[in-house]
Amino acid sequence: GESVGLHLPTLSVQEGDNSIINCAYSNSASDYFIWYKQESGKGPQFIIDIRSNMDKRQGQRVTVLLNKTVKHLSLQIAATQPGDSAVYFCAENTSGTASKLTFGTGTRLQVTL
Amino acid sequence: DTAVSQTPKYLVTQMGNDKSIKCEQNLGHDTMYWYKQDSKKFLKIMFSYNNKELIINETVPNRFSPKSPDKAHLNLHINSLELGDSAVYFCASSQGVRPQHFGDGTRLSIL
Repeated sequence: GESVGLHLPTLSVQEGDNSIINCAYSNSASDYFIWYKQESGKGPQFIIDIRSNMDKRQGQRVTVLLNKTVKHLSLQIAATQPGDSAVYFCAENTSGTASKLTFGTGTRLQVTL
Repeated sequence: DTAVSQTPKYLVTQMGNDKSIKCEQNLGHDTMYWYKQDSKKFLKIMFSYNNKELIINETVPNRFSPKSPDKAHLNLHINSLELGDSAVYFCASSQGVRPQHFGDGTRLSIL
């Protein structure tokens, strides 16, 4: 399940299940969105991106959905694996702001065996 | 073949000291960044340089001074370190509006 508290929101899923990580972004003028994965002791690693003229984009085992009406972004991971355990961040960018990314608060994904 | 490399990986020092963190990217990107990640994992941009020119300077104390000797390097110097400076500092680079590539961070601990 998903929980929000003083610590990072955490999503626990069983290996093999699908994961959905949600993100509410802040700026209605944002037109480019990125999902990053951060493993312990590492920097954020690019997963997938989407521009505001699209509402869905698929990669390998990952899908990003964008709902501009409610300023919501989600990352779906199919057949979640132990190696998917990490903190996931959404980030938004407004063109013309020199590629300044604004990051969301992050969600920790825990994959249980 | 590390794309964005930072040194040192760990930095432990006392309050009041001055320290520097170095960053190099071998991706040929024009833009480099410094981010600060706090203990709650919140990641916030501090500075951005494009071709050695400062283009983003968020509300960061004057004690933090970035320097870009060339477009492949962006260093961060911090004067008079304070307890609140303890964090993980990430360097990143990008080309145009393409995704930013991050280094693995420098964990700064102030005693």
